[in-house]
Amino acid sequence: GQNIDQPTEMTATEGAIVQINCTYQTSGFNGLFWYQQHAGEAPTFLSYNVLDGLEEKGRFSSFLSRSKGYSYLLLKELQMKDSASYLCAWDYNTDKLIFGTGTRLQVFP
Amino acid sequence: EPEVTQTPSHQVTQMGQEVILRCVPISNHLYFYWYRQILGQKVEFLVSFYNNEISEKSEIFDDQFSVERPDGSNFTLKIRSTKLEDSAMYFCASSEGITGNSSGYTFGSGTRLTVV
Repeated sequence: GQNIDQPTEMTATEGAIVQINCTYQTSGFNGLFWYQQHAGEAPTFLSYNVLDGLEEKGRFSSFLSRSKGYSYLLLKELQMKDSASYLCAWDYNTDKLIFGTGTRLQVFP
Repeated sequence: EPEVTQTPSHQVTQMGQEVILRCVPISNHLYFYWYRQILGQKVEFLVSFYNNEISEKSEIFDDQFSVERPDGSNFTLKIRSTKLEDSAMYFCASSEGITGNSSGYTFGSGTRLTVV
């Protein structure tokens, strides 16, 4: 199957930490991407994991466990501008991305 | 920073009409893609293109759709006879090589197609 599941919506407070989970049930896995998408705009690249473990990039970190079919995106020191949808996307056989439905994050002051 | 350029940003067309959506991928990229996103839904893969031919296409990409790289810079998506359900944001994307590098795909800002 090619299912990717992530929560539909999350809320958090400015300055806090939030973790967005993604689970996938797939074959042909070649890596997992996280994208940020503001309403009406294009997805923008945040992170890519192909090996198990944590990748840190500034305020954003992404984790992958291939054996568990699980990834998460960690956002630290949340800012109002982080309010957006966060898309988990699985790289299928290097030919295409299979996207989850996205998690809409709202950051409140 | 290099970017993928799409035109027009918004197109309104009557049902049954043909539309061509245009994209200029990043110049040194070799792989090109079209995705679409119906309002409020997830981003869906349509087609991938490499070495002047389609490498993969989804079930959505039926005979009404076609892609072309007419010259060294443009990459187009044609919908032959538009239907109401074709209304969506269409994103072009390109990548330098097969994914597995950390930069992934670069998406254009999209064309919002409205079929009336």
